[in-house]
Amino acid sequence: NAGVIQTPRHKVTGKGQEATLWCEPISGHSAVFWYRQTIVQGLEFLTYFRNQAPIDDSGMPKERFSAQMPNQSHSTLKIQSTQPQDSAVYLCASSLRTENERLFFGHGTKLSVL
Amino acid sequence: QQKVQQSPESLSVPEGGMASLNCTSSDRNFQYFWWYRQHSGEGPKALMSIFSDGDKKEGRFTAHLNKASLHVSLHIRDSQPSDSALYFCAASEVPGTGSNRLTFGKGTKFSLIP
Repeated sequence: NAGVIQTPRHKVTGKGQEATLWCEPISGHSAVFWYRQTIVQGLEFLTYFRNQAPIDDSGMPKERFSAQMPNQSHSTLKIQSTQPQDSAVYLCASSLRTENERLFFGHGTKLSVL
Repeated sequence: QQKVQQSPESLSVPEGGMASLNCTSSDRNFQYFWWYRQHSGEGPKALMSIFSDGDKKEGRFTAHLNKASLHVSLHIRDSQPSDSALYFCAASEVPGTGSNRLTFGKGTKFSLIP
Protein backbone atom coordinates (compact mmCIF):
# COMPACT_ATOMS: atom_id res chain seq x y z
CA ASN A 1 0.00 0.00 0.00
CA ALA A 2 1.60 3.25 -1.18
CA GLY A 3 -0.19 5.44 1.32
CA VAL A 4 -1.85 8.73 0.44
CA ILE A 5 -0.29 10.18 -2.68
CA GLN A 6 -0.21 13.92 -3.30
CA THR A 7 0.99 15.60 -6.47
CA PRO A 8 2.85 17.72 -7.16
CA ARG A 9 5.22 17.88 -4.17
CA HIS A 10 6.06 21.49 -4.93
CA LYS A 11 4.16 24.07 -6.96
CA VAL A 12 5.16 27.63 -7.70
CA THR A 13 2.58 30.02 -9.11
CA GLY A 14 2.47 33.69 -9.87
CA LYS A 15 0.01 35.93 -8.09
CA GLY A 16 -3.40 35.65 -9.77
CA GLN A 17 -2.76 32.26 -11.37
CA GLU A 18 -4.72 29.07 -10.69
CA ALA A 19 -3.35 26.08 -8.78
CA THR A 20 -4.77 22.56 -8.74
CA LEU A 21 -3.56 20.08 -6.15
CA TRP A 22 -4.20 16.34 -6.44
CA CYS A 23 -4.72 13.65 -3.86
CA GLU A 24 -5.07 9.88 -4.20
CA PRO A 25 -6.39 8.39 -0.95
CA ILE A 26 -5.60 4.93 0.33
CA SER A 27 -7.69 2.35 -1.49
CA GLY A 28 -10.74 1.37 0.53
CA HIS A 29 -10.78 4.48 2.68
CA SER A 30 -14.14 6.22 2.64
CA ALA A 31 -13.15 9.63 4.05
CA VAL A 32 -10.83 12.23 2.53
CA PHE A 33 -9.70 15.38 4.34
CA TRP A 34 -7.82 18.50 3.24
CA TYR A 35 -5.74 20.57 5.67
CA ARG A 36 -3.45 23.57 5.23
CA GLN A 37 -0.28 23.98 7.27
CA THR A 38 1.61 27.22 7.91
CA ILE A 39 4.10 28.25 10.58
CA VAL A 40 1.75 30.92 11.92
CA GLN A 41 -1.62 29.14 11.83
CA GLY A 42 -0.49 25.54 12.22
CA LEU A 43 -2.74 22.81 10.79
CA GLU A 44 -6.06 24.26 9.61
CA PHE A 45 -8.97 22.12 8.49
CA LEU A 46 -10.32 22.98 5.06
CA THR A 47 -12.86 20.38 3.96
CA TYR A 48 -13.74 16.68 3.94
CA PHE A 49 -15.63 14.11 1.90
CA ARG A 50 -17.26 10.87 2.92
CA ASN A 51 -17.96 8.34 0.18
CA GLN A 52 -17.18 11.13 -2.30
CA ALA A 53 -19.90 13.42 -0.92
CA PRO A 54 -18.87 16.79 0.57
CA ILE A 55 -19.65 16.76 4.30
CA ASP A 56 -18.00 19.80 5.86
CA ASP A 57 -16.35 22.66 4.02
CA SER A 58 -16.43 25.12 6.91
CA GLY A 59 -12.69 25.76 6.71
CA MET A 60 -12.61 26.66 3.03
CA PRO A 61 -12.12 30.29 2.03
CA LYS A 62 -15.30 30.47 -0.03
CA GLU A 63 -14.37 32.82 -2.81
CA ARG A 64 -11.33 31.22 -4.41
CA PHE A 65 -11.06 27.69 -3.01
CA SER A 66 -12.97 24.66 -4.22
CA ALA A 67 -12.58 20.92 -3.70
CA GLN A 68 -14.01 17.99 -5.54
CA MET A 69 -13.96 14.23 -5.35
CA PRO A 70 -15.16 12.96 -8.74
CA ASN A 71 -14.39 9.32 -7.91
CA GLN A 72 -13.18 7.26 -4.95
CA SER A 73 -9.59 7.28 -6.15
CA HIS A 74 -8.86 10.98 -6.24
CA SER A 75 -9.71 14.40 -4.90
CA THR A 76 -8.63 17.83 -6.10
CA LEU A 77 -8.22 21.17 -4.37
CA LYS A 78 -8.36 24.14 -6.71
CA ILE A 79 -7.29 27.65 -5.79
CA GLN A 80 -8.23 30.39 -8.21
CA SER A 81 -6.43 33.72 -8.43
CA THR A 82 -3.73 32.63 -5.97
CA GLN A 83 -2.44 35.19 -3.50
CA PRO A 84 0.84 35.23 -1.51
CA GLN A 85 -1.11 34.40 1.68
CA ASP A 86 -2.15 31.09 0.07
CA SER A 87 1.46 29.92 0.32
CA ALA A 88 1.40 26.88 2.59
CA VAL A 89 1.75 23.12 2.67
CA TYR A 90 -1.55 21.54 1.66
CA LEU A 91 -2.06 18.15 3.24
CA CYS A 92 -4.50 15.47 2.18
CA ALA A 93 -5.48 12.65 4.51
CA SER A 94 -7.76 9.64 4.31
CA SER A 95 -9.33 7.36 6.88
CA LEU A 96 -11.22 4.10 6.80
CA ARG A 97 -14.33 5.80 8.17
CA THR A 98 -14.87 9.24 9.66
CA GLU A 99 -15.72 8.71 13.33
CA ASN A 100 -12.68 8.62 15.61
CA GLU A 101 -10.50 7.01 13.00
CA ARG A 102 -6.82 7.72 12.56
CA LEU A 103 -5.99 9.91 9.61
CA PHE A 104 -3.28 8.85 7.17
CA PHE A 105 -1.63 11.92 5.71
CA GLY A 106 0.23 12.34 2.45
CA HIS A 107 3.55 14.20 2.28
CA GLY A 108 1.77 17.37 1.25
CA THR A 109 2.05 19.84 -1.61
CA LYS A 110 4.11 22.92 -0.86
CA LEU A 111 2.50 25.84 -2.69
CA SER A 112 4.55 28.99 -3.16
CA VAL A 113 2.81 32.05 -4.61
CA LEU A 114 5.24 34.66 -5.84
CA GLN B 1 -9.24 31.55 20.60
CA GLN B 2 -7.43 28.36 19.68
CA LYS B 3 -9.73 25.47 20.67
CA VAL B 4 -6.82 23.08 21.26
CA GLN B 5 -3.83 24.56 23.06
CA GLN B 6 -0.48 22.86 23.49
CA SER B 7 2.46 23.52 25.76
CA PRO B 8 5.35 23.95 25.75
CA GLU B 9 6.04 25.34 22.27
CA SER B 10 9.40 23.59 22.28
CA LEU B 11 11.14 21.04 24.44
CA SER B 12 14.63 19.56 24.54
CA VAL B 13 15.74 16.53 26.53
CA PRO B 14 18.91 14.41 26.52
CA GLU B 15 18.85 11.06 24.77
CA GLY B 16 17.33 8.48 27.07
CA GLY B 17 15.45 11.14 29.01
CA MET B 18 11.76 11.60 29.75
CA ALA B 19 9.54 14.25 28.14
CA SER B 20 6.05 15.49 28.91
CA LEU B 21 3.83 17.32 26.44
CA ASN B 22 0.55 18.96 27.40
CA CYS B 23 -2.71 19.75 25.64
CA THR B 24 -5.93 21.41 26.79
CA SER B 25 -9.21 21.90 24.99
CA SER B 26 -11.50 24.87 25.59
CA ASP B 27 -14.49 23.18 23.94
CA ARG B 28 -16.50 20.67 26.00
CA ASN B 29 -17.70 19.02 22.80
CA PHE B 30 -14.17 17.76 22.22
CA GLN B 31 -14.06 14.40 23.90
CA TYR B 32 -11.77 12.34 21.70
CA PHE B 33 -8.06 13.04 21.53
CA TRP B 34 -5.17 11.98 19.34
CA TRP B 35 -1.45 12.56 19.32
CA TYR B 36 0.25 12.93 15.95
CA ARG B 37 3.94 13.27 15.15
CA GLN B 38 5.44 14.99 12.12
CA HIS B 39 9.01 14.62 10.94
CA SER B 40 10.46 17.29 8.68
CA GLY B 41 9.27 16.98 5.08
CA GLU B 42 6.56 14.45 5.89
CA GLY B 43 2.89 14.52 6.75
CA PRO B 44 1.75 13.98 10.36
CA LYS B 45 1.51 10.37 11.50
CA ALA B 46 -0.83 9.16 14.23
CA LEU B 47 0.91 8.01 17.40
CA MET B 48 -2.03 7.06 19.55
CA SER B 49 -5.57 7.89 20.51
CA ILE B 50 -7.15 8.25 23.93
CA PHE B 51 -10.88 8.42 24.44
CA SER B 52 -11.34 7.39 28.10
CA ASP B 53 -10.17 8.88 31.39
CA GLY B 54 -6.86 7.56 32.65
CA ASP B 55 -3.67 6.27 31.08
CA LYS B 56 -3.00 4.49 27.83
CA LYS B 57 0.43 3.06 27.11
CA GLU B 58 1.92 2.14 23.75
CA GLY B 59 5.57 1.20 23.91
CA ARG B 60 7.61 4.17 25.16
CA PHE B 61 4.61 6.51 24.88
CA THR B 62 1.94 7.01 27.54
CA ALA B 63 -1.06 9.29 27.13
CA HIS B 64 -3.17 10.52 30.00
CA LEU B 65 -6.65 12.03 29.70
CA ASN B 66 -8.70 13.92 32.27
CA LYS B 67 -12.08 14.57 30.70
CA ALA B 68 -13.29 16.78 33.54
CA SER B 69 -10.52 19.30 32.84
CA LEU B 70 -10.21 18.42 29.12
CA HIS B 71 -6.51 17.97 29.65
CA VAL B 72 -4.45 15.36 27.86
CA SER B 73 -0.73 14.73 28.13
CA LEU B 74 1.85 12.63 26.32
CA HIS B 75 4.85 11.20 28.11
CA ILE B 76 7.83 9.89 26.20
CA ARG B 77 10.32 7.77 28.08
CA ASP B 78 13.80 6.70 26.96
CA SER B 79 13.83 9.40 24.25
CA GLN B 80 15.48 8.36 20.99
CA PRO B 81 16.88 10.44 18.09
CA SER B 82 13.91 9.34 15.96
CA ASP B 83 11.58 11.04 18.47
CA SER B 84 12.81 14.49 17.39
CA ALA B 85 9.77 15.89 15.58
CA LEU B 86 6.76 18.19 15.83
CA TYR B 87 4.06 16.71 18.07
CA PHE B 88 0.42 17.64 17.60
CA CYS B 89 -2.52 17.13 19.87
CA ALA B 90 -5.81 16.79 17.99
CA ALA B 91 -9.40 16.57 19.17
CA SER B 92 -12.72 15.61 17.67
CA GLU B 93 -16.28 16.04 18.79
CA VAL B 94 -18.56 13.39 20.17
CA PRO B 95 -20.13 11.61 17.17
CA GLY B 96 -23.47 13.08 16.29
CA THR B 97 -22.81 16.49 17.82
CA GLY B 98 -21.10 18.01 14.81
CA SER B 99 -18.46 17.44 12.19
CA ASN B 100 -16.07 14.57 12.71
CA ARG B 101 -13.11 16.62 11.59
CA LEU B 102 -9.98 16.72 13.75
CA THR B 103 -8.95 20.09 15.22
CA PHE B 104 -5.22 20.36 15.79
CA GLY B 105 -3.16 22.34 18.27
CA LYS B 106 -0.17 24.32 17.04
CA GLY B 107 2.30 21.67 18.09
CA THR B 108 5.28 21.14 20.37
CA LYS B 109 8.70 20.97 18.76
CA PHE B 110 10.60 18.19 20.48
CA SER B 111 14.32 17.67 20.04
CA LEU B 112 17.12 15.73 21.68
CA ILE B 113 20.07 17.46 23.30
CA PRO B 114 23.17 15.87 21.77
